[in-house]
Amino acid sequence: DAGVIQSPRHEVTEMGQEVTLRCKPISGHDYLFWYRQTMMRGLELLIYFNNNVPIDDSGMPEDRFSAKMPNASFSTLKIQPSEPRDSAVYFCASSLGTTDTQYFGPGTRLTVL
Amino acid sequence: KNEVEQSPQNLTAQEGEFITINCSYSVGISALHWLQQHPGGGIVSLFMLSSGKKKHGRLIATINIQEKHSSLHITASHPRDSAVYICAVSFARQLTFGSGTQLTVLP
Repeated sequence: DAGVIQSPRHEVTEMGQEVTLRCKPISGHDYLFWYRQTMMRGLELLIYFNNNVPIDDSGMPEDRFSAKMPNASFSTLKIQPSEPRDSAVYFCASSLGTTDTQYFGPGTRLTVL
Repeated sequence: KNEVEQSPQNLTAQEGEFITINCSYSVGISALHWLQQHPGGGIVSLFMLSSGKKKHGRLIATINIQEKHSSLHITASHPRDSAVYICAVSFARQLTFGSGTQLTVLP
């Protein structure tokens, strides 16, 4: 298996632009997680899905952030409009269950100018 | 909400030394995860445990449920072990992370 795939690996955009991050989980994994990592706040869970359904989005910082999982093999995290404080590394991870080992993607480094 | 504390924040060791990283949490958990983040940024899950002890190569993870405490041990440390080690706890569908321990192993 190729592992969790994220794209793009790097994204540089200007404030106010829409940003879409993509994730393909490991086949057969029922859970998908989106995380954000910054120097100030460390690693934070934004949202997670079970069988394509959002279960807990309490970590989503505000309405500018949205996440979807239209099918078992694809998820997106969208920021609209983006702001400089959104600059961070965004990780996607998948697992068989919430208490099972999570497999992380390589991350997307987002820079909002 | 679970509070997760890791110690130490930074640790420098000489190659071959035995290393211990600690993680304490405030509320009951369903599972505790140890993650390793390489200098390049990639994150690898090392262990997931809910009781007892697990061993993988030179890495050992233990958890004491009564004391709400877990330790990650590295035996015969090597410069390639240099990374950030992160503890995370699962409870009530919430996943809470510690701030990480930066480990540097010198040759």
